[in-house]
Amino acid sequence: GAVVSQHPSRVICKSGTSVKIECRSLDFQATTMFWYRQFPKQSLMLMATSNEGSKATYEQGVEKDKFLINHASLTLSTLTVTSAHPEDSSFYICSARGGGATYNSPLHFGNGTRLTVT
Amino acid sequence: TQLLEQSPQFLSIQEGENLTVYCNSSSVFSSLQWYRQEPGEGPVLLVTVVTGGEVKKLKRLTFQFGDARKDSSLHITAAQTGDTGLYLCAGFGGSNYKLTFGKGTLLTVNP
Repeated sequence: GAVVSQHPSRVICKSGTSVKIECRSLDFQATTMFWYRQFPKQSLMLMATSNEGSKATYEQGVEKDKFLINHASLTLSTLTVTSAHPEDSSFYICSARGGGATYNSPLHFGNGTRLTVT
Repeated sequence: TQLLEQSPQFLSIQEGENLTVYCNSSSVFSSLQWYRQEPGEGPVLLVTVVTGGEVKKLKRLTFQFGDARKDSSLHITAAQTGDTGLYLCAGFGGSNYKLTFGKGTLLTVNP
């Protein structure tokens, strides 16, 4: 089955620094990737949708200048948390979908990145 | 914005009991999916329901999509400790085929 690799799985950084999270589709071309944020024991909140070669579409309330998303190739999307603060500590998950998407198209999820900002 | 209300939010039961988790919305979804997630991992797809009134079975799990495609349920028969996890319903909709998640049901099955 389709595999999505997310890296790193865990990262600890100091307040004020930036962190980049990578999401790669290993065996298919991901025309669309989604980035989610999840707090402990809570559901996934969609942050943004990125389509290869175009600007990401951010959900209401998500700061696009703080959460920079790049989807420069069909197999890689990155999320950069800029000037991270402790309240940005969370579990970030990406998912990817191939081309020709319909309402029945499966999404393939990465295993998430646990970000801790100290 | 399409919202999915999931209930109950927390559920703790004994092994062997049956349970039902509900997922409701005021919006119509093209399809609805159920996921199970374990701590520190990404969600794993259990099933996709597409047709109103559809019922799908996956071993001890039974999934139903409402006739109006606004709600769904997950029924687990004779729960096992291995069923413990966060169960999420998610609906497809919108121009970008976004997947919107419900708040999740944290299920604990005690031995």
